[in-house]
Amino acid sequence: EAGVVQSPRYKIIEKKQPVAFWCNPISGHNTLYWYRQNLGQGPELLIRYENEEAVDDSQLPKDRFSAERLKGVDSTLKIQPAELGDSAVYLCASSLDAGYGTQYFGPGTRLLVL
Amino acid sequence: AQKVTQAQTEISVVEKEDVTLDCVYETRDTTYYLFWYKQPPSGELVFLIRRNSFDEQNEISGRYSWNFQKSTSSFNFTITASQVVDSAVYFCALSEASNYGQNFVFGPGTRLSVLP
Repeated sequence: EAGVVQSPRYKIIEKKQPVAFWCNPISGHNTLYWYRQNLGQGPELLIRYENEEAVDDSQLPKDRFSAERLKGVDSTLKIQPAELGDSAVYLCASSLDAGYGTQYFGPGTRLLVL
Repeated sequence: AQKVTQAQTEISVVEKEDVTLDCVYETRDTTYYLFWYKQPPSGELVFLIRRNSFDEQNEISGRYSWNFQKSTSSFNFTITASQVVDSAVYFCALSEASNYGQNFVFGPGTRLSVLP
């Protein structure tokens, strides 16, 4: 069974530029998560989807971050415009159920903003 | 206050030594789950174990074992006869109920270096 797929793996942009990350969850997993992981820290939740509905976006900086999961499968996370402090690893995870289900993570996208 | 505390920032051991990674959590819920994940240098978080709050039975999987004690709110992880391939950052995580259905919180992680 294929795991969570993310692209790109690495991205280098200049500040004020837009950037987008893509995630394809494990087949059949209805719940999808986006996390940000700063260097030397644990992942922090940005947004959680159940199917196509964003059920928890309380930690998403909505002035510059947006996300979508139009058909309840793939998801895109966008930053516009990027700032220096956005440099981090962006992780996508999925789980079978929305309760206390185990989350399975993709390899992440390492973003560097110059 | 941190929901999940991993007091050991970094640990170094020599191969074949046993090592225990500590995890202390905080929750008011009676139903919750605890997890351990491994993050090797490649960066991908690898699921190791999930434990629910009603099951305090210790678990062993090969060289890995977990000790869950509700009385001290701890969920410690022991690697027996450590190997170089065990070098990674290990995260403890807590899943509990929240206003949004579920709150999943990671600890800050413990970096384990196993030296040959």
